[in-house]
Amino acid sequence: DTGVSQDPRHKITKRGQNVTFRCDPISEHNRLYWYRQTLGQGPEFLTYFQNEAQLEKSRLLSDRFSAERPKGSFSTLEIQRTEQGDSAMYLCASSLEGLEGETQYFGPGTRLLVL
Amino acid sequence: GENVEQHPSTLSVQEGDSAVIKCTYSDSASNYFPWYKQELGKGPQLIIDIRSNVGEKKDQRIAVTLNKTAKHFSLHITETQPEDSAVYFCAASKRRGGGADGLTFGKGTHLIIQP
Repeated sequence: DTGVSQDPRHKITKRGQNVTFRCDPISEHNRLYWYRQTLGQGPEFLTYFQNEAQLEKSRLLSDRFSAERPKGSFSTLEIQRTEQGDSAMYLCASSLEGLEGETQYFGPGTRLLVL
Repeated sequence: GENVEQHPSTLSVQEGDSAVIKCTYSDSASNYFPWYKQELGKGPQLIIDIRSNVGEKKDQRIAVTLNKTAKHFSLHITETQPEDSAVYFCAASKRRGGGADGLTFGKGTHLIIQP
């Protein structure tokens, strides 16, 4: 069983550049979540997919943030025109909907540093 | 929206002693309360969870209690070991395991086990 994987694990970019992160959920998990975690804080929910449908995106931090899950499997999170305040850990989680509710399993995260 | 408060921010205990971390939540509609352990450079790992129809749940050295009336839940770790040292996060959600609301996390507790 492979867990949630994220790529890259680390990304350094210059202010104003675009970055894209990838998340591969646990196979057959139909729900996928993106979170942001800044230093000393808990993860902050950003967006959620059920299969390929993005059912919640109002928590995305600005219109510079967008996410896709085109075939209901892997997902990408893009940040356009990065700012220094975007520096954080970006976490992906997946879960399988079930009668008893579901558990979210997190990946190792992508650490972004904007210079 | 939901607000989760977590205390203490740092907890230092002697190896073998017990540790207790407390959280309160604001939304009475929340019905799922997981606890995650995060080690340095890694994503959060679920250690135990509880749903609102249960008052207490135990798994070996770890237990969680829930008081719905007071909107309060706690993590109890007995017979602490050095490998228990990590940051622990509580979270809450109104949907079974997450759904469109995602998880709302506390700010975390840095648990230090003194040898």
